[in-house]
Amino acid sequence: DTGVSQNPRHKITKRGQNVTFRCDPISEHNRLYWYRQTLGQGPEFLTYFQNEAQLEKSRLLSDRFSAERPKGSFSTLEIQRTEQGDSAMYLCASSYKRGGIRDLGELFFGEGSRLTVL
Amino acid sequence: DAKTTQPTSMDCAEGRAANLPCNHSTISGNEYVYWYRQIHSQGPQYIIHGLKNNETNEMASLIITEDRKSSTLILPHATLRDTAVYYCIVREGGSQGNLIFGKGTKLSVKP
Repeated sequence: DTGVSQNPRHKITKRGQNVTFRCDPISEHNRLYWYRQTLGQGPEFLTYFQNEAQLEKSRLLSDRFSAERPKGSFSTLEIQRTEQGDSAMYLCASSYKRGGIRDLGELFFGEGSRLTVL
Repeated sequence: DAKTTQPTSMDCAEGRAANLPCNHSTISGNEYVYWYRQIHSQGPQYIIHGLKNNETNEMASLIITEDRKSSTLILPHATLRDTAVYYCIVREGGSQGNLIFGKGTKLSVKP
């Protein structure tokens, strides 16, 4: 059983560098979500895709952040010119939404990619 | 902002039932109540959800009050592995949008 896979699990970078995280969702899932979580807080929504279309973006997603899901399968989240405030766990989740069927909100999360910006 | 209020932390003895409360006094008629938990260093895990009726699955039971302004997640026989942060979330059914997490309740199950 392959759940949601995220890589790398840990990334340490210097301020100003660019980083990219990859998420491989559960294979038949058509929705993919990115969240960010800092210590002691709940996950904060960043963006989500249905297939390859990015349908919603949070105000937290500044112009230094870009997410893609080019073929409706895996997704990447890139952070340009990293800042120390970007240090967090970046979580990816996926779900399956059938057309005409109510989305029951069961998201399957990966184990996250932890970013430390020095 | 999260639409729910939960206690910051709770303790429970191993083998006893853990009852985690959640207030959602502004819930609207088409909003569901969801529960997720997050074990340390892992991603959140779906537990259960409900609209107005009580629900039970292999992990837990969800009791929703008749006025739907509050709910309780029940872990019938808590184990040490149930130690986690538990999040109560309300979300419109059929919504294309995301789940908004609050800070949750840190449940500590003690031997």
